[in-house]
Amino acid sequence: EVQLVESGGGLVQPGRSLRLSCTGSGFTFGDYAMIWVRQAPGKGLEWVGLIRSKTYGGTTEYASSVEGRFTISRDDSKGIAYLQMNSLKTEDTAVYFCSRTRAALPSSGWFAILYWGQGALVTVSS
Amino acid sequence: DIQMTQSPSSLSASVGDRVTITCQASQDINNHLNWYQQKPGKAPKLLIYDASNLITGVPSRFSGSGSGTDFTFTISSVQPEDIASYYCQQYHNPYTFGQGTNLEIK
Repeated sequence: EVQLVESGGGLVQPGRSLRLSCTGSGFTFGDYAMIWVRQAPGKGLEWVGLIRSKTYGGTTEYASSVEGRFTISRDDSKGIAYLQMNSLKTEDTAVYFCSRTRAALPSSGWFAILYWGQGALVTVSS
Repeated sequence: DIQMTQSPSSLSASVGDRVTITCQASQDINNHLNWYQQKPGKAPKLLIYDASNLITGVPSRFSGSGSGTDFTFTISSVQPEDIASYYCQQYHNPYTFGQGTNLEIK
């Protein structure tokens, strides 16, 4: 069974940093792109960023709202993806979901997000 | 960036009604469009990928159609358990979600 578990959320002051971890199990972690999505309280879903598998260069992409402040990395040997969040703003307050694509290799709908963690709450406030 | 315009933002329906949600992309995204359901306090759930392909186990009352820039999501006969928010999402480059539609039962 595929499982994704986020950790590291909490209360942080504006301008400070926080790192979220996403531990995956039940699948070959290194084969899949990992995606971070967030949801501010009472708001809709917002894509944050992704990291591709090493097969596809391990490259990252970010939403413009977090570009230059957030960094995604991965340790395939541990089955963990990270979201390093720097220079946090109050508007970064949200539940952050770690997620995984439907398939590892190009096929119909391969980059749809099929598996999700339970989410980690990050509150940015003084 | 590709923008996704989803409407309506909220919807009220009676059990058994047919409801439709639309999503428009700011540029051609082929069929790279997914639909998700999210219930309060839960992670989203993928219902449909590539505009019209139903995920295994999802009831057949859910369906999707469209290609290019215009897409439609339909529930043919709304059930009480369908109370949720629904989101479209493009994965053409790389991801954008629509604003969401909150479905309530009358």
